[in-house]
Amino acid sequence: NAGVMQNPRHLVRRRGQEARLRCSPMKGHSHVYWYRQLPEEGLKFMVYLQKENIIDESGMPKERFSAEFPKEGPSILRIQQVVRGDSAAYFCASSPPVNGYTFGSGTRLTVV
Amino acid sequence: QQQVKQSPQSLIVQKGGISIINCAYENTAFDYFPWYQQFPGKGPALLIAIRPDVSEKKEGRFTISFNKSAKQFSLHIMDSQPGDSATYFCAASDISSNYQLIWGAGTKLIIKP
Repeated sequence: NAGVMQNPRHLVRRRGQEARLRCSPMKGHSHVYWYRQLPEEGLKFMVYLQKENIIDESGMPKERFSAEFPKEGPSILRIQQVVRGDSAAYFCASSPPVNGYTFGSGTRLTVV
Repeated sequence: QQQVKQSPQSLIVQKGGISIINCAYENTAFDYFPWYQQFPGKGPALLIAIRPDVSEKKEGRFTISFNKSAKQFSLHIMDSQPGDSATYFCAASDISSNYQLIWGAGTKLIIKP
């Protein structure tokens, strides 16, 4: 069981480009969560997805950010037209229907 | 109602001492209380968790104490070691929110050799 796989581990984008962050949940996990973390700060919830459904996107900025968890393949967090303030670590977690989040190692996005 | 308040924000403990981190909640429907440990550059990892039907759970040097009436729970690290230096997050969840975790703000723990 490979755990939650996030890629890439590090991503550098120029201002205005698009960033695509991928998350493959653990086998058997049907729930995916995305979090953002700035250095020395806590976890900021962004979005909670189940297969083909967005359950809670209350933490997602209204513009430029989107997420999906298709029937097949990984969950994708997409940030369009990135700005310097988007630089952060983005963590994905997955869980079975009841309890037990497992986190990936994160994607560190740097916008230059 | 949905908040989990964690304290202190940072903590320095001598090697061999007891580290104590506290969390408080309001939502009485919460029924799952995990603690996560995060090392720099890594994702958080589940350390230990408790349900409200017990008042204490121990795993090695790590103990969760749970006070249902006070709506508080705490993490105790006995014989703290430099390798325990990390950020610790408490969380809580319940079935009404699909067990989506509500997170504390985190405590940065430093164990001095």
